[in-house]
Amino acid sequence: GQQVMQIPQYQHVQEGEDFTTYCNSSTTLSNIQWYKQRPGGHPVFLIQLVKSGEVKKQKRLTFQFGEAKKNSSLHITATQTTDVGTYFCAGTSSGTYKYIFGTGTRLKVLA
Amino acid sequence: DVKVTQSSRYLVKRTGEKVFLECVQDMDHENMFWYRQDPGLGLRLIYFSYDVKMKEKGDIPEGYSVSREKKERFSLILESASTNQTSMYLCASEVTRVNTEAFFGQGTRLTVV
Repeated sequence: GQQVMQIPQYQHVQEGEDFTTYCNSSTTLSNIQWYKQRPGGHPVFLIQLVKSGEVKKQKRLTFQFGEAKKNSSLHITATQTTDVGTYFCAGTSSGTYKYIFGTGTRLKVLA
Repeated sequence: DVKVTQSSRYLVKRTGEKVFLECVQDMDHENMFWYRQDPGLGLRLIYFSYDVKMKEKGDIPEGYSVSREKKERFSLILESASTNQTSMYLCASEVTRVNTEAFFGQGTRLTVV
């Protein structure tokens, strides 16, 4: 069945350093979403990407959808302590209600 | 604001008990989902529902059932709880399947002893 893998599983960075998490699907996706889960919290929607090669920015966060629509990345520039949490990608294929979540990348930012 | 409310934040049950986890959303969303979250495994879909009385199996439905008698309420049922069902359970809802964001409840941490 469809699988969505994320790397790395964990990342510790010094405050001010950049951070990137990668999401890879075994099948072509119709769209991909990104969520952030703060420690002790629940996942909160960040963004959705639909088009091949799409790039979207939210302040220090840059999201990219691969040309083949099988991979995606989230890049954070100059991390802050408020960026701490687990970042999940979630992809879906056309014709289905199901989103398959990635395994998540847990980010720790050291002040 | 959309609100998705799960009935309990923490729950401790005994092996073999029948367990009900309730989820209510207040925004008239068609689609509702139940996930379980385990360290290193991300969120795994148990069941989802795209309409009242409609349900479909997710990736790990074994040992679970669901009920959706009203649009706003989606219940997850553990017929006979086992220790390997100890986990964080997350309910989510979304307005429609046309590429919209999912809103999650606060989660229920279930411990089966």
